[in-house]
Amino acid sequence: GAVVSQHPSWVICKSGTSVKIECRSLDFQATTMFWYRQFPKQSLMLMATSNEGSKATYEQGVEKDKFLINHASLTLSTLTVTSAHPEDSSFYICSARGTSGSPAKNIQYFGAGTRLSVL
Amino acid sequence: DAKTTQPTSMDCAEGRAANLPCNHSTISGNEYVYWYRQIHSQGPQYIIHGLKNNETNEMASLIITEDRKSSTLILPHATLRDTAVYYCIVGSSGGYNKLIFGAGTRLAVHP
Repeated sequence: GAVVSQHPSWVICKSGTSVKIECRSLDFQATTMFWYRQFPKQSLMLMATSNEGSKATYEQGVEKDKFLINHASLTLSTLTVTSAHPEDSSFYICSARGTSGSPAKNIQYFGAGTRLSVL
Repeated sequence: DAKTTQPTSMDCAEGRAANLPCNHSTISGNEYVYWYRQIHSQGPQYIIHGLKNNETNEMASLIITEDRKSSTLILPHATLRDTAVYYCIVGSSGGYNKLIFGAGTRLAVHP
């Protein structure tokens, strides 16, 4: 299957600082990328959908000014958690769907996730 | 997007077939059935998807009922490494379609 790389795999930061997480589709171009968050013992919760070259669409209850998403190319999307606080500590996971001409066009492939701990 | 209903947990003996059911009675005509699994502390792994025909790949088989209101994921010879949470998700294939995860089925494969 197609490969989605996410970096870093884990990060620890101090309260009030910002953290950037990268999501790359390695062997296909992704028109659409998605960001999820997962708390312990819970399922994945969709945060936002991003399309290359346009603004992200955020799910209800997700603060767009706190979780900045950039999808500048067909292979890269970034999530920046601004002014992180302990309650933002979570497992963040990205996924990507391929363009219409890609073998991954109907399938979302997921990254390995980033574990964020805010002290 | 149509919702799905899955059992909370299931057990399976190693080497036996694991049959994971999913109900999606409100599925619409253009919606696919997707199956993913998540092994502890990892991102979800794509398993298989289908529209109305049964599908098989190297990982699993997907059986969709004729009325499309339910489906079954079959792992033909379960191994300990198949222990994971399995998610059945319904959604359209293209555009901005987003996959909404439910609680899934926690499959435990035991020796």
